[in-house]
Amino acid sequence: KQEVTQIPAALSVPEGENLVLNCSFTDSAIYNLQWFRQDPGKGLTSLLLIQSSQREQTSGRLNASLDKSSGRSTLYIAASQPGDSATYLCAVISNFGNEKLTFGTGTRLTIIP
Amino acid sequence: DGGITQSPKYLFRKEGQNVTLSCEQNLNHDAMYWYRQDPGQGLRLIYYSQIVNDFQKGDIAEGYSVSREKKESFPLTVTSAQKNPTAFYLCASSRLLNQPQHFGDGTRLSIL
Repeated sequence: KQEVTQIPAALSVPEGENLVLNCSFTDSAIYNLQWFRQDPGKGLTSLLLIQSSQREQTSGRLNASLDKSSGRSTLYIAASQPGDSATYLCAVISNFGNEKLTFGTGTRLTIIP
Repeated sequence: DGGITQSPKYLFRKEGQNVTLSCEQNLNHDAMYWYRQDPGQGLRLIYYSQIVNDFQKGDIAEGYSVSREKKESFPLTVTSAQKNPTAFYLCASSRLLNQPQHFGDGTRLSIL
């Protein structure tokens, strides 16, 4: 059974700093991995999707990497801004039982002005 | 704009009552999903539908029911058999299974 873990559960950093969010998964046989952002009381917004054959994806100040062999992904946020404050969730689709996303519990990020 | 609309935003249920959460999408997606989100836990899959008139149980289907009579609509009924229904419910859709999922803004269900 696939399990996804995100540590830390919460993170506070000063504005302008670069930061890394971590995601680990137990079964390396994944189809793809997605990073989402969730604002309080809102739904999820997809940030980046990495296919299993890819190593990284970039969008603006965001860069997500994937290392299947070690069961890890990182989300790098450059030059953080107060508007980046949100909960960040990673989720994987496994090769087996691939009808669903398996989510981590998220990292709540606060950018301090 | 294309998207997913969930309604209502807030819903209250009395003991012994069934309630239905609405999810509509105009993205022409075949697959639709219902997730439940509890504090400190990741999203958990309740039901999913790959195509019209077909749906399958997810990890926590007990106490819930769904229908998929139209491509655009995938309503979720929280029955009285669901003893702990208080949660944030999220609907999602994707073009096909395994494709990126797009989410609605959620419905927060509480018990009166």
